Amino acid sequence: DAKTTQPPSMDCAEGRAANLPCNHSTISGNEYVYWYRQIHSQGPQYIIHGLKNNETNEMASLIITEDRKSSTLILPHATLRDTAVYYCIVGYNFNKFYFGSGTKLNVKP
Amino acid sequence: DGGITQSPKYLFRKEGQNVTLSCEQNLNHDAMYWYRQDPGQGLRLIYYSQIVNDFQKGDIAEGYSVSREKKESFPLTVTSAQKNPTAFYLCASSIRHENYGYTFGSGTRLTVV
Repeated sequence: DAKTTQPPSMDCAEGRAANLPCNHSTISGNEYVYWYRQIHSQGPQYIIHGLKNNETNEMASLIITEDRKSSTLILPHATLRDTAVYYCIVGYNFNKFYFGSGTKLNVKP
Repeated sequence: DGGITQSPKYLFRKEGQNVTLSCEQNLNHDAMYWYRQDPGQGLRLIYYSQIVNDFQKGDIAEGYSVSREKKESFPLTVTSAQKNPTAFYLCASSIRHENYGYTFGSGTRLTVV
């Protein structure tokens, strides 16, 4: 079973920041938080991952709370091409990943 | 370019026939995975393999079979025992000693008529 909880859908205006929350209250040990996104009928695309510290790359920022029980993916300037389903996953690399239903992000003009 | 190749992109089969989906990677990744996705749903794990000649069942292995004879290849056979085989199938891989998670292929959409 997926070990994360995400809202089923969110809307965001184009050009604004999209903040996607994820609860993972049962995260344990050295499990990482991973974010992927899936555009319709394509394979999921890796976005970012983190363990304890906040992370930033060219695509997004990941904010992990100090107790590691929740995180937020931030797309700083959402575009229409960011419309996708976003999956938050916790786990160890080289192990099984459980995907929930994710959050459908709708970026609107 | 390195990556994962799934073929074909679309596949049609008659009910009762076995069908094999191809997954090849040239990333030198150690582990490979097969997921199934139904419309509007998340991904569910079918099988995974962390080393050549070894694989483990995922959550929905019934009606499927796999082999891992080469590090680069992890074919999935959908057998006639699978009750509802029509779905989108995704292959992924990952490498030991790195924390970047999975790399996914572009998927195969199987339709059984």
